[in-house]
Amino acid sequence: GEDVEQSLFLSVREGDSSVINCTYTDSSSTYLYWYKQEPGAGLQLLTYIFSNMDMKQDQRLTVLLNKKDKHLSLRIADTQTGDSAIYFCAESLNTGGFKTIFGAGTRLFVKA
Amino acid sequence: NAGVTQTPKFQVLKTGQSMTLQCAQDMNHEYMSWYRQDPGMGLRLIHYSVGAGITDQGEVPNGYNVSRSTTEDFPLRLLSAAPSQTSVYFCASSYGDRDGYTFGSGTRLTVV
Repeated sequence: GEDVEQSLFLSVREGDSSVINCTYTDSSSTYLYWYKQEPGAGLQLLTYIFSNMDMKQDQRLTVLLNKKDKHLSLRIADTQTGDSAIYFCAESLNTGGFKTIFGAGTRLFVKA
Repeated sequence: NAGVTQTPKFQVLKTGQSMTLQCAQDMNHEYMSWYRQDPGMGLRLIHYSVGAGITDQGEVPNGYNVSRSTTEDFPLRLLSAAPSQTSVYFCASSYGDRDGYTFGSGTRLTVV
């Protein structure tokens, strides 16, 4: 079946790196995404990775994909208080349409 | 360019009432989806559409109907509201897999 799992909470100190992990079950995933949700707002796409890539870097964000283990991670370097939010992992399924499944979200707390 | 517009932002319904949540996008996106967000459960896909005239069910379609008569609009109809449908509803649209979704700001629905 289709499932995306994430840990629910992560707490880090300002200036440290944050690593948010995600596992997914569907091997037909084409793209995997990380979204950010701030309080009272919709989700905002942070970055994505195509399923045949291992790593993608975008400024402070590094995405690592281990397709064999179906494991995705998001590393935020030099975490700031403004990074406090909920981060969602999502996979786009290669079902002939466009069907995206989201995890439950990881709430990141950044302590000053 | 307004992006994805959802109305209303807040709504209270009585059990058994029906209503339509509106969603419109001005980006000429083919793909549109409706999600509901519940605490600890992330986003769950209700219905999605890959183009005008084409819709399909997601993970939790029961109690909801959709139609896609134009590229711009994708309304979600609650047929007979139940307390279990109390949630935050997000509409999202996309040009294609690689672009991920653009989300609306959400509709907070309470069914009493």
